[in-house]
This record gives sequence, structure tokens and C-alpha cells, in this order.
Amino acid sequence: QKEVEQNSGPLSVPEGAIASLNCTYSDRGSQSFFWYRQYSGKSPELIMSIYSNGDKEDGRFTAQLNKASQYVSLLIRDSQPSDSATYLCAEGVDGNKLVFGAGTILRVKS
Amino acid sequence: DTGVSQDPRHKITKRGQNVTFRCDPISEHNRLYWYRQTLGQGPEFLTYFQNEAQLEKSRLLSDRFSAERPKGSFSTLEIQRTEQGDSAMYLCASSPGRGQRDNEQFFGPGTRLTVL
Repeated sequence: QKEVEQNSGPLSVPEGAIASLNCTYSDRGSQSFFWYRQYSGKSPELIMSIYSNGDKEDGRFTAQLNKASQYVSLLIRDSQPSDSATYLCAEGVDGNKLVFGAGTILRVKS
Repeated sequence: DTGVSQDPRHKITKRGQNVTFRCDPISEHNRLYWYRQTLGQGPEFLTYFQNEAQLEKSRLLSDRFSAERPKGSFSTLEIQRTEQGDSAMYLCASSPGRGQRDNEQFFGPGTRLTVL
């Protein structure tokens, strides 16, 4: 059973701070990892994908992957109230389907 | 690029009735996925298609559930004899299915099913 674990939160950060979201996964063979943002009542929106060890930056977002530790993280710099949402971590399995964690609720307070 | 669309957005039905949902993927994407999401959980994989071929079905997909993608474009998900436990958000996603980003999946708005 492939699993993705996330702290459910809520994680509260002040506006302008860095939010750090973490995720661990069980399948050592996974090659692709994704972060999705989901606002209440809406569907998941793809923010970042990462396939190799190290960091990947896109605007205010940085994804970090450590395959040896089976650990993926998402950093959000200069957090804004509009970043308040549930963040879902997912691993790609068998090159197609995604296995999701339960998500971490982020609250950015102004 | 009009994104993934789903219809209907909401469906309320009585236990025992059949329901059918439709998904139209991003036009150039040849993979299409169905997921189910309940409150407080991440989406759970149900099934996926590569073009018109259904390549995998989850154990979650009981024999009351059937999905089709007859011409490799839109897909339908039918639930027969609905049960209250079927109440959930049904999400459709599509991905290119080729290239370096072949498995980047983009979700539609979902169909929220309520079984009374």
C-alpha cells in the first residue's frame, strides 16, 4: 500500500513569512511528485511538479525533493492571505495515477 | 486551452438511483483520470484511460461503477444503484501522456454527488 503522509495542520503563519509544508512517501520507486493547492469547495490546482533531487523554484514557490529520505517539501515565500488553502502532496505511481496525502491546511494571517 | 470541464457540477439523487457524470479533458491530452474525494481527505484514484483504453481500475471501483471513453475524447462515469456512501466529490483530470511532463494532471471543477 503506497502512502503519502502530511501533517493536517492547520499551519498558521503571518503575512510575509515563509510557509513550510512537508510530506513523506513510502514508495522508494516513485519518480514524480506534485504539489496541489485546493481552496475550500474547489478542485485541486497544480502548483509544482518535481522529478529529481534538489530544489525547484517557481516564483514564490520552491519544491524540495530528497529521495534518500523519501521527503518532499514546499516553501512559500512572502506568504499572502490568498495563499490560505489546503495543500496536497501527491506521488506519481506506475507513471500514471497519483497517490495523495490528506493535505495540510495553511492559514496566512494579515 | 479551455481546461477540463465536468457536468453536472452538482447532483442530488435518492439511494438506489443511477447517475452518470461527464468529463471533457484538455483537448490535446490523451490520458484521462477519475478520482473521488471526501471531506478532509485527498483525492483517491478510481480509474484511468489512455486514449479510449481503460488501463487501470482501483479496487475502490465496485461493480456498480463503470467508466467509458468511447472515442478517446470525453469520458463518462456511471454509478448504478447509488448508496449513501457514494456521496463525494468526483474529480476528473487529464494529462498529456507524453513528453517530460506526461503525468502532470490538471483537474476539472468536479461533480459533487449527494445521495439521500
